[in-house]
Amino acid sequence: EPEVTQTPSHQVTQMGQEVILRCVPISNHLYFYWYRQILGQKVEFLVSFYNNEISEKSEIFDDQFSVERPDGSNFTLKIRSTKLEDSAMYFCASSLTAGDRTYGYTFGSGTRLTVV
Amino acid sequence: AQSVTQLDSHVSVSEGTPVLLRCNYSSSYSPSLFWYVQHPNKGLQLLLKYTSAATLVKGINGFEAEFKKSETSFHLTKPSAHMSDAAEYFCVVSDHDGYALNFGKGTSLLVTP
Repeated sequence: EPEVTQTPSHQVTQMGQEVILRCVPISNHLYFYWYRQILGQKVEFLVSFYNNEISEKSEIFDDQFSVERPDGSNFTLKIRSTKLEDSAMYFCASSLTAGDRTYGYTFGSGTRLTVV
Repeated sequence: AQSVTQLDSHVSVSEGTPVLLRCNYSSSYSPSLFWYVQHPNKGLQLLLKYTSAATLVKGINGFEAEFKKSETSFHLTKPSAHMSDAAEYFCVVSDHDGYALNFGKGTSLLVTP
């Protein structure tokens, strides 16, 4: 069964450092997403990406965040200057169509980011 | 805006007994509703989805959920719990033709022998 792959599974970084979280979506999917889950809180939507541009973003997704699809397979989330409150589990997801009511979204297993 | 409320943060059942995980939604539109499961150190796996077709939705691993518009509920059930069902369960609503999923806070299911 096709999977969304995320690397690394766990990353520790110092406050103020830049971090890049990587994802390989399912190959025929066209829509890509990042979500995050701060420990003990809800899973929150960050951003969606289609046709090489952001299609929707939440209030959380401020100027310190950026996304990119640098080649035909990877989808990355960059945090420019990490803060302690960025510590969370970050989930990548992809879907065949927008909103994907037919097949749902496929999520990766997440990257746990710890900012120290 | 759409939102969901999962009424129980923790549910404990004995193996072989029924499972009921409760979810109420709030939506201005005809919603799409999902249940996802997260096992330890695993990704979010889709259990089932409601997309305005049949109100009783069957999912994987014997789970099902019923969409009740009058009660704005989408409770998840399973007739007989298995030890492998122990996990975190999320009720999720999708914006109308949008991209973002709105997650509930999750219900942790414990299954005891």
